[in-house]
Amino acid sequence: EAGVTQFPSHSVIEKGQTVTLRCDPISGHDNLYWYRRVMGKEIKFLLHFVKESKQDESGMPNNRFLAERTGGTYSTLKVQPAELEDSGVYFCASSQTRGGYVPNTEAFFGQGTRLTVV
Amino acid sequence: AQRVTQPEKLLSVFKGAPVELKCNYSYSGSPELFWYVQYSRQRLQLLLRHVSRESIKGFTADLNKGETSFHLKKPFAQEEDSAMYYCALSGRNTGFQKLVFGTGTRLLVSP
Repeated sequence: EAGVTQFPSHSVIEKGQTVTLRCDPISGHDNLYWYRRVMGKEIKFLLHFVKESKQDESGMPNNRFLAERTGGTYSTLKVQPAELEDSGVYFCASSQTRGGYVPNTEAFFGQGTRLTVV
Repeated sequence: AQRVTQPEKLLSVFKGAPVELKCNYSYSGSPELFWYVQYSRQRLQLLLRHVSRESIKGFTADLNKGETSFHLKKPFAQEEDSAMYYCALSGRNTGFQKLVFGTGTRLLVSP
């Protein structure tokens, strides 16, 4: 079974440019998450989709970041315009949904996209 | 606020030595605690979670609510244990599906 796939694996762009990251979750996983690790800091939550709906976007840094998940399959995260502080590794993860009061299922992570803004 | 603290950035031990990776958390209520591991050139993967109370690859972790800790332990380290280890929590206060991570500890096991 294919795991969570992210594209590209690396991206180097100039400040002010636009970059779009893509995540393909594990087939059948309704939950999709974006996280980011800035150099030397912790991995931070950005947002959570349940199918095509944004369940929680409290971690999105500002309105330069736009995430979509049309059709509830793959997701894109666009940064426009990119700033130097956006550099980091962007992780995508997906998980199944369990019924009833069972809070958390295992999140499977992609290999990450390393974004460098120069 | 919910927070996970991993005080050590790097832990270096010799093969066969015991290992303890420290994790302390701040959370109001009952969180779920996890350890994730990232081996070189591999993706982040779940190592173990406190609700499972299992041992994975010889690692164990016990949730100590009094000390708000979830330290990861292994009695005899192996070279293949060298990796980046992240402690994380989730719970009602964070939105169950959201993980709050620590900054990670790099474990280096030398021969």
